[in-house]
Amino acid sequence: GESVGLHLPTLSVQEGDNSIINCAYSNSASDYFIWYKQESGKGPQFIIDIRSNMDKRQGQRVTVLLNKTVKHLSLQIAATQPGDSAVYFCAEPWAGGTSYGKLTFGQGTILTVHP
Amino acid sequence: DVKVTQSSRYLVKRTGEKVFLECVQDMDHENMFWYRQDPGLGLRLIYFSYDVKMKEKGDIPEGYSVSREKKERFSLILESASTNQTSMYLCATTRGGSYEQYFGPGTRLTVT
Repeated sequence: GESVGLHLPTLSVQEGDNSIINCAYSNSASDYFIWYKQESGKGPQFIIDIRSNMDKRQGQRVTVLLNKTVKHLSLQIAATQPGDSAVYFCAEPWAGGTSYGKLTFGQGTILTVHP
Repeated sequence: DVKVTQSSRYLVKRTGEKVFLECVQDMDHENMFWYRQDPGLGLRLIYFSYDVKMKEKGDIPEGYSVSREKKERFSLILESASTNQTSMYLCATTRGGSYEQYFGPGTRLTVT
């Protein structure tokens, strides 16, 4: 989930296991959320998004769950593969007025998948 | 597919130099962003632009300026580079009305 300071949360799993990455968001009025994946040396890539009128959305091997009551998002990756090793960020629309597509990003979670 | 390119993957500059980082996108997106990314601090917004010649400060604009003379191109300028500007710089774009940001590959800048 979220992190304060210099150390990102880390998750270490075996290949084939399911992974769950958590994120706490700050703005109860946020109506849209995105998960990004950032591999080493690359820019973040969009994985999946969810609107606040949904509790769950599924993609290919990924599922995002939204709990608005506790302002919590999770990203579930099924049958995790070594290629899933990356930093995962959640993001929500910037809350400070006209946004022009601005996002507020979580600190990120490092996922390491061991063969 | 949206393509966002950045002028350099790696750059080494000396303290006091003027540094230009360029971002080009090919999808006619209205909004463009510059972030820096540092270990443990996540993505921090430096500046963004919502139209040609329009720009707004992000969370950490000090020591930076930007230029957007054409819709597809957004430049980040370090007027006088300092060692604390050593970082990964990421450019992103979105079309108007969307939050789905597309990122470039990043420029790792080292200031010595």
